[in-house]
Amino acid sequence: ETGVTQTPRHLVMGMTNKKSLKCEQHLGHNAMYWYKQSAKKPLELMFVYSLEERVENNSVPSRFSPECPNSSHLFLHLHTLQPEDSALYLCASSQGQGAGWAKNIQYFGAGTRLSVL
Amino acid sequence: ILNVEQSPQSLHVQEGDSTNFTCSFPSSNFYALHWYRWETAKSPEALFVMTLNGDEKKKGRISATLNTKEGYSYLYIKGSQPEDSATYLCALDPRRISSGSARQLTFGSGTQLTVLP
Repeated sequence: ETGVTQTPRHLVMGMTNKKSLKCEQHLGHNAMYWYKQSAKKPLELMFVYSLEERVENNSVPSRFSPECPNSSHLFLHLHTLQPEDSALYLCASSQGQGAGWAKNIQYFGAGTRLSVL
Repeated sequence: ILNVEQSPQSLHVQEGDSTNFTCSFPSSNFYALHWYRWETAKSPEALFVMTLNGDEKKKGRISATLNTKEGYSYLYIKGSQPEDSATYLCALDPRRISSGSARQLTFGSGTQLTVLP
């Protein structure tokens, strides 16, 4: 148990659907991240939130829309996705300030396996 | 774009064998190097974070070394066991001025280790 929980674990959606992925961390961290893992590719950083403000958006298509209502929760809203968006989506958190900041260790959830039909 | 390379991509060893794999990164852009272990259907978990040239870290049968001048890190597993089977990821924490308190990691594609009983 890493202290980062993602739901759902699996999601199948059509290209016209709207769905949301949820991430919750119980570690008291103040930075949260969305990553995408496609087959045979490195983990790809999508979004970074620090103290609930988005600090990075790495050229992600607008059909992915993140939301961070507080430092413990992070959502990824999905709409009109394409089959090539099928992947594993991982959430992570890290200590943005105080002890542990310098190491920037990321704590990951188990991911949501997304299939777009 | 930072390039973090891991080799080999996959590796099969017999139980009891010792093994090692490599992570290469641009030496000119370095703050820290992370190693993560990712078992199937679980979350990636941090093994080591190294910052100093010549650093050597150890955790049980697993150890890692770091050469920042030439831009590589080795991960060693002594006497491999089936429970060591996982994907081992390295990630570069680059020297950059980051906005906010979150710093981004750039991950390699991983080395998938299978230990055969």
